[in-house]
Amino acid sequence: GAVVSQHPSWVICKSGTSVKIECRSLDFQATTMFWYRQFPKQSLMLMATSNEGSKATYEQGVEKDKFLINHASLTLSTLTVTSAHPEDSSFYICSALPLGEGDGYTFGSGTRLTVV
Amino acid sequence: EDQVTQSPEALRLQEGESSSLNCSYTVSGLRGLFWYRQDPGKGPEFLFTLYSAGEEKEKERLKATLTKKESFLHITAPKPEDSATYLCAVRLNTGFQKLVFGTGTRLLVSP
Repeated sequence: GAVVSQHPSWVICKSGTSVKIECRSLDFQATTMFWYRQFPKQSLMLMATSNEGSKATYEQGVEKDKFLINHASLTLSTLTVTSAHPEDSSFYICSALPLGEGDGYTFGSGTRLTVV
Repeated sequence: EDQVTQSPEALRLQEGESSSLNCSYTVSGLRGLFWYRQDPGKGPEFLFTLYSAGEEKEKERLKATLTKKESFLHITAPKPEDSATYLCAVRLNTGFQKLVFGTGTRLLVSP
């Protein structure tokens, strides 16, 4: 089945620094990938939709200059949290929609970001 | 506004005690309702997709059903390994096929 690999699984960074999270589709091509954020005991909140070769579409209230998304190939999307602050600490999860499949959204294993 | 609501928020069952989880939705255009299982610190794991009212799907001890306004996830004779958070999500009839998730039900099955 379709597999999405997400790295790193956890990261600790200092306030003011930037962190990059990678999301790779291992055995399929994904024209569309989704980035979610999840706070403890809460559900997944969609942050943005990234499309290969074009600009990402951000959800209302998500700062596009803070959360930079790049989807340069059909198998890789990256999320960069710029100038991170403690309130950015959260669980970030990516998802991909395999090309040609009607459903079957595949999720990565998530990245736990802690900003100190 | 598109909304997905799950109940109960948390559920504790004894092993073998069957129950149902509810997912109610109000969306402008539905293109599928999804059920996922999420273990702590992990990404969601796909369980089912339902497309039309009256549709049912089963997998081991789980059975999902769909009406025009809600979906149920029935758990028959649960085991401790069924303990997890169960999420439902709806795919909207918009360009990017994004999912809107419900709040989730945290299930704990005690031996």
